[in-house]
Amino acid sequence: GAGVSQTPSNKVTEKGKYVELRCDPISGHTALYWYRQSLGQGPEFLIYFQGTGAADDSGLPNDRFFAVRPEGSVSTLKIQRTERGDSAVYLCASSPGPNQPQHFGDGTRLSIL
Amino acid sequence: DQQVKQNSPSLSVQEGRISILNCDYTNSMFDYFLWYKKYPAEGPTFLISISSIKDKNEDGRFTVFLNKSAKHLSLHIVPSQPGDSAVYFCAASGSGSGAGSYQLTFGKGTKLSVIP
Repeated sequence: GAGVSQTPSNKVTEKGKYVELRCDPISGHTALYWYRQSLGQGPEFLIYFQGTGAADDSGLPNDRFFAVRPEGSVSTLKIQRTERGDSAVYLCASSPGPNQPQHFGDGTRLSIL
Repeated sequence: DQQVKQNSPSLSVQEGRISILNCDYTNSMFDYFLWYKKYPAEGPTFLISISSIKDKNEDGRFTVFLNKSAKHLSLHIVPSQPGDSAVYFCAASGSGSGAGSYQLTFGKGTKLSVIP
């Protein structure tokens, strides 16, 4: 079956611009997660959705970052006034429910010039 | 402070031999552990997990061992194959209720090279 799909696969933009990253989870998975991976590091948790609501957004680094999942399926991670330090691979994962193995997409590589 | 540590950045093993990847953790609230494999330009792929109520879980060529008293887990791959060459991440979470029980905390990864 189809896995987690993330678009775009690559995004290059200038400092100060707004970006949206999309995640389409595995069908039927109620739990959705966003992580960020910097070079040489493991993925770091950003936010967790159970259904439509953000159950935990404690990993979002600041208020420039926001994520939504309005219908409990597709999610969008939004970054305002991008900074060069936001450059990283943004990974989305989904699972049938919390506390079950998370399945990752291939990520969006974001580069801020 | 890193709560999940993979102290070996890289490991080389001959094809057919055993690969042993190690992971240490410091947070005593962690009670669910996972291993992921990652190829370049792809997302992490789930391999195997273990709950703290067990000390061993096996799936084909992959076995994970958990030593709770030492806060240490390891992944054994036997026999190793060239296609196993990838970066392996150890991850942990607290499976109980409450904040953070679903967040995965990852190590920095170990790059495994299986030499034909």
